[in-house]
Amino acid sequence: KAGVTQTPRYLIKTRGQQVTLSCSPISGHRSVSWYQQTPGQGLQFLFEYFSETQRNKGNFPGRFSGRQFSNSRSEMNVSTLELGDSALYLCASSISWARDSPLHFGNGTRLTVT
Amino acid sequence: GNSVTQMEGPVTLSEEAFLTINCTYTATGYPSLFWYVQYPGEGLQLLLKATKADDKGSNKGFEATYRKETTSFHLEKGSVQVSDSAVYFCALFLYTGNQFYFGTGTSLTVIP
Repeated sequence: KAGVTQTPRYLIKTRGQQVTLSCSPISGHRSVSWYQQTPGQGLQFLFEYFSETQRNKGNFPGRFSGRQFSNSRSEMNVSTLELGDSALYLCASSISWARDSPLHFGNGTRLTVT
Repeated sequence: GNSVTQMEGPVTLSEEAFLTINCTYTATGYPSLFWYVQYPGEGLQLLLKATKADDKGSNKGFEATYRKETTSFHLEKGSVQVSDSAVYFCALFLYTGNQFYFGTGTSLTVIP
C-alpha cells in the first residue's frame, strides 16, 4: 500500500511569490491535514480537509489556503511568500477522526524563501 | 487551552542506556495520546498510542503509560540502539475539537 506522497520535495522561492504544494493521501483515507514544521515551533496545524470540505483551521494568516479534490488529493497554497514561511510542510492522512485513528505523514516539502 | 509539553533536548545517550522522554499535557476534554518518531529526512511515523487512562502503548521496545492523574505520557525504553536516533514527538488528539496537538519534539542521539 503506497504511503502519503508529497510533491515536490524541495522548493526555493523568493519573497512575494506564491507556491502550491501537493499531497496524495493513502488510498481510502478521506481526511488530509497540513502542518508547518520549524525548529523553534515544532508542528503547527494549518488545516484539515475531509471529503473536500475544510473542517478545521489553525491560526495562520489568510495567505495560507488549501483545498481537497474528489479523489482526496489535496493542495495547499501560500501567496505573497515571506522569509518566515521557510519551513518543512507536512501532509498527513487519516481514515477518519476516530479516537484511535493515527495520522500517516508524508516526507514533507522543504520550502525555502529567499 | 490544549497543549503538549515535552522535555527539552537534545538528548545524547550511549548505546544500551535507559531512555525517558517526559511528556505532559493540558486538555479540555478526554484526549487520546500518541508518540511519533521522525527520522532524518522523513515525515513522522506513529510509534505508539493510548486512548484511555492507564492504557500502556508499546512498540519496538518503547513504552508509554497514559496517566490521567498526572496528565503525563512519558516515553521509555530500557536499552537504546544507535538506530533509535531520531526526533520524538508527543501528541494528543481531542475528538471534540477534531485536532491533533504536538509537542515541540525531543531530539535523541545514541552513540556507540
